[in-house]
Amino acid sequence: GESVGLHLPTLSVQEGDNSIINCAYSNSASDYFIWYKQESGKGPQFIIDIRSNMDKRQGQRVTVLLNKTVKHLSLQIAATQPGDSAVYFCAENRAAGNKLTFGGGTRVLVKP
Amino acid sequence: DGGITQSPKYLFRKEGQNVTLSCEQNLNHDAMYWYRQDPGQGLRLIYYSQIVNDFQKGDIAEGYSVSREKKESFPLTVTSAQKNPTAFYLCASRPLGQGDTEAFFGQGTRLTVV
Repeated sequence: GESVGLHLPTLSVQEGDNSIINCAYSNSASDYFIWYKQESGKGPQFIIDIRSNMDKRQGQRVTVLLNKTVKHLSLQIAATQPGDSAVYFCAENRAAGNKLTFGGGTRVLVKP
Repeated sequence: DGGITQSPKYLFRKEGQNVTLSCEQNLNHDAMYWYRQDPGQGLRLIYYSQIVNDFQKGDIAEGYSVSREKKESFPLTVTSAQKNPTAFYLCASRPLGQGDTEAFFGQGTRLTVV
């Protein structure tokens, strides 16, 4: 079936190091991808997005890479800080119908 | 302030009862979404709507119903047919027709069956 999934459920990273969170998607009709951050008991917050006609996009301390050949998406966080500790989700949008679906999430724990 | 509001924040339901979760947005967004999140899990799509008076089933629609009578409102009813309704429910909205845009989320409703 159609799905968006993640390889690692939990990622521990030392403060100041870079973090890489991975996501696999299976629907080649998806045209837009979003990364969200969710803190405990709250709604997800937007981090960065990328369209399917791009392979890289950079924000402040974050970079998203898209590899359509292998249907893989990654989020890189530079100089990870304690405030980055949260669960991160990738989401894919199918243009037909604007159906927005999410992967299972990766918990990032930042060690001081 | 503009935003998306879910109410109540916490909700308790007895087994066999229907319950309705509210989601209101004043962002003039076209599309609205309902997701369910179980502990330690991701978000699963229940229903979504692109326009007033129209909505589509998501991946786990059984036991749920929605309506979209107004652009700003997208209530979700959890019916007695939903066998395991205890979960965190999230509503989101996004504009359409302006290119790709992210969805904005409410703060969620935590539903517990007692």
